[in-house]
Amino acid sequence: QVQLVQSVTEVKKPGTSMKLSCKASGYSFIDFFIQWVRQAPGQGLEWMGTINTNNGDTNRAPRFQGRVTMTRDTSTGTVYLELSSLRSEDTAVYYCARELPGATSGFDYWGQGTLVTVSS
Amino acid sequence: QSLLTQPPSASATPGHTVTISCSGSSSNIGVNTVNWYQQLPGAAPRLLITNNNKRSSGVPDRFSGSKSGLSASLAISGLQSEDEADYYCALWDDNVDGYVFGSGTTVTVL
Repeated sequence: QVQLVQSVTEVKKPGTSMKLSCKASGYSFIDFFIQWVRQAPGQGLEWMGTINTNNGDTNRAPRFQGRVTMTRDTSTGTVYLELSSLRSEDTAVYYCARELPGATSGFDYWGQGTLVTVSS
Repeated sequence: QSLLTQPPSASATPGHTVTISCSGSSSNIGVNTVNWYQQLPGAAPRLLITNNNKRSSGVPDRFSGSKSGLSASLAISGLQSEDEADYYCALWDDNVDGYVFGSGTTVTVL
């Protein structure tokens, strides 16, 4: 069965960086883009960016340009999200999700989420 | 400020119908297809509706989506207690060149 398993909870200090992982299984890894979405406490969903797992191309939301890096390892079926210059407003649950083929058809499988707390 | 406007809350009694609206613009709903997600408390979102009105695998036919002009709607008929959740519309925005989520609607079963 399709699964996206994310890394565990992290606590980071302001100004540092984080690198989260999302390991996919149960399907052909390179056939589906992976999206990153975050949710601050008590807030709505916010799209961060997407990675083409086949060629590594990425598309980041404008507000994260320069701070977000997305990479993938096709040998392990894992996608990574790096966010630099962390601030308290980056405290959130970070989700990876698989995108259905067809560009705008939605995200059909989601990871369990990684809680990141940014605090001094 | 989300590019997609949803009412913050909606409610109805069990067995009745609740409808959630999603208002957008010519750069998103006007030209792209709408998806709807359900998020139960403490859980990851779940894809309910794709391509405006197609139910995702395993989604009961009590859930239906529609789109007209610059707005979309999600209707939940035969409301049940387990439908209490947050609901989000979402789609691609050509101006932003990215995916956008609505502000979210909390559905309460009275």
